[in-house]
Amino acid sequence: DVKVTQSSRYLVKRTGEKVFLECVQDMDHENMFWYRQDPGLGLRLIYFSYDVKMKEKGDIPEGYSVSREKKERFSLILESASTNQTSMYLCASSLLGQGYTEAFFGQGTRLTVV
Amino acid sequence: AQTVTQSQPEMSVQEAETVTLSCTYDTSESDYYLFWYKQPPSRQMILVIRQEAYKQQNATENRFSVNFQKAAKSFSLKISDSQLGDAAMYFCAYRDGGSQGNLIFGKGTKLSVKP
Repeated sequence: DVKVTQSSRYLVKRTGEKVFLECVQDMDHENMFWYRQDPGLGLRLIYFSYDVKMKEKGDIPEGYSVSREKKERFSLILESASTNQTSMYLCASSLLGQGYTEAFFGQGTRLTVV
Repeated sequence: AQTVTQSQPEMSVQEAETVTLSCTYDTSESDYYLFWYKQPPSRQMILVIRQEAYKQQNATENRFSVNFQKAAKSFSLKISDSQLGDAAMYFCAYRDGGSQGNLIFGKGTKLSVKP
C-alpha cells in the first residue's frame, strides 16, 4: 500500500517559532509538493521539488522554505511562524514526467499558530 | 496562467440519486490532464477519476463519470446512485502535459448526502 506520511496530524506553535513539517513517501517518487488548504480557497501550492536538493516556488512561497536532502523526504519550514499561517498543510508526491499519473497525498497537518 | 473554477461551494443530494458537480478551467495548452479528487472528513485526498485532454471519450469509474467538453473547457463529475460515503469535499484539478507535475486545484465543492 503506497504511502505519504506527514509527521504530525495536529500541531500548535507560538508566534515567532521555527516550525518544521515533515513528509515522507515510500513510492520512490521524484516529485514532492507542499500545499496549503484554506476554506473557500482550495489547495494552493507553496513549494515543490522534482529532485533531491531541487526546489521550485509555487504560488504562495512567502514565509516558507523547504528542504529535500533525500528523495523520500520533503520538509516544509516556517522560519518565524505567524498567525496567518494557521492552516491545513498537505504533502503530495508523484512520478516525474508522467502527466497522467496520480498524485498521492498525506493525511494533512492542521497547524495552529497562537 | 491556468485556472480552475468550481462554481458550487456546496451541493446536496438524496441517497441513491444522481448529482453533477461542475468544473471549468482556463488554459492555452493543448496537452493537459484533468482530475477529480475526493477529501472525506478524514482529510485523506483520494483520486476519483482522471481524463486526458486528447481523449474524446469520457472517463468512467464505476458510479463516477465525467462530462468532458474540451471546446467549452468544462469537466463535470457525475455521481450516480449516491451513497452516504460519497459525502466529502470534491476538488477539480488540472495539470499541464509539459509541467513538472504540479496540480492546480479549484476551490472545492462540499457534497452532502441525505439519507
